[in-house]
Amino acid sequence: DAKTTQPTSMDCAEGRAANLPCNHSTISGNEYVYWYRQIHSQGPQYIIHGLKNNETNEMASLIITEDRKSSTLILPHATLRDTAVYYCIVREHNAGNMLTFGGGTRLMVKP
Amino acid sequence: DAGVTQSPTHLIKTRGQQVTLRCSPKSGHDTVSWYQQALGQGPQFIFQYYEEEERQRGNFPDRFSGHQFPNYSSELNVNALLLGDSALYLCASSFGVISGKGNTIYFGEGSWLTVV
Repeated sequence: DAKTTQPTSMDCAEGRAANLPCNHSTISGNEYVYWYRQIHSQGPQYIIHGLKNNETNEMASLIITEDRKSSTLILPHATLRDTAVYYCIVREHNAGNMLTFGGGTRLMVKP
Repeated sequence: DAGVTQSPTHLIKTRGQQVTLRCSPKSGHDTVSWYQQALGQGPQFIFQYYEEEERQRGNFPDRFSGHQFPNYSSELNVNALLLGDSALYLCASSFGVISGKGNTIYFGEGSWLTVV
């Protein structure tokens, strides 16, 4: 079973920030938070990952709460091409390749 | 830098037949895993290969088998196809755990299998 809980769907206006929440209350000390997204009919795309500090890359920012029980993925200026299913996954960074996907959040970016 | 590549992109098979799907990992990666994604669901882990051996396996029957070659590429074989095997099959690659490089997992675009 997935160890994360995400809203089923969210809408966001084009050009605005999209904030996608994820709860992972049972995360252990050596588990990272990973975010992937899947645009319709394509393979999942890696976005970002973090352990306890906030992270930023060219795609997004990841904000992890101090107790690490939840996190938020931020797309600073959402575009129509960001419409996708976003998956939040917890795993040990140097563990095997078994990712457990939950239902994800279906983000719809609207003009 | 080539990412994870898979072939074929689409194929149609008849119930009871066998299918082989192929994957080349991202450049430098030595660990390959396979996932099945049914329509409307998240990907489900099938198994992982490292150093040409199956290292982890998800809850899939023995009809699903695989192989990893010395160049790290991999094949997924499914025997005695069922209608329920119709899905998107995803290959993912990473560095092996021992490499110490951290093993963020990258996915290919998948192979769409339709069983009729």
